Amino acid sequence: EPEVTQTPSHQVTQMGQEVILRCVPISNHLYFYWYRQILGQKVEFLVSFYNNEISEKSEIFDDQFSVERPDGSNFTLKIRSTKLEDSAMYFCASSRADPSGNTIYFGEGSWLTVV
Amino acid sequence: QKEVEQNSGPLSVPEGAIASLNCTYSDRGSQSFFWYRQYSGKSPELIMSIYSNGDKEDGRFTAQLNKASQYVSLLIRDSQPSDSATYLCAPSSYNQGGKLIFGQGTELSVKP
Repeated sequence: EPEVTQTPSHQVTQMGQEVILRCVPISNHLYFYWYRQILGQKVEFLVSFYNNEISEKSEIFDDQFSVERPDGSNFTLKIRSTKLEDSAMYFCASSRADPSGNTIYFGEGSWLTVV
Repeated sequence: QKEVEQNSGPLSVPEGAIASLNCTYSDRGSQSFFWYRQYSGKSPELIMSIYSNGDKEDGRFTAQLNKASQYVSLLIRDSQPSDSATYLCAPSSYNQGGKLIFGQGTELSVKP
């Protein structure tokens, strides 16, 4: 069964460093997302991406964050200068078509620890 | 008012019983409703989706939707210890780009 894959599964970084989280969405999917979950809190939407551009972003997704689809398979989330409060599990997700009527599938997550 | 409200639990039921999980949402434009299961430290996994008022059954799971009351629920029949997890309610609206807005989740514990 096709799945969303994410790397790394766990990354520890020092405050102020840049981090890139990588994702390979399901191959025939067109909509891509990043969500995050701080330990003990709810899953929060960060950004959605369609047709090579951001379609929507939350207030969390400030100038420190960026997304890119550098080739036909990868989808990345970059955090330019990490803060302690960026420590969270980051989930990549994708859906085949219009997400309001289609299932969004999640990857296994990348756990980011900022020290 | 929170966008999606769920009882955080924990909800404890004995093995074989029915577990009832409830969710209310504030966005009347929500069109699609999803229930995800999340084991500790793992990613959300889709259990059920429902788009129309009424009931939708899939195996031991039944989703119920009442758009007028802005209420969606998930029933788990013959609960098993392996059902112990956090259940996330997530409405989706085309007006919000179709993104999922998750509730806090209800922790379910099924006791053998």
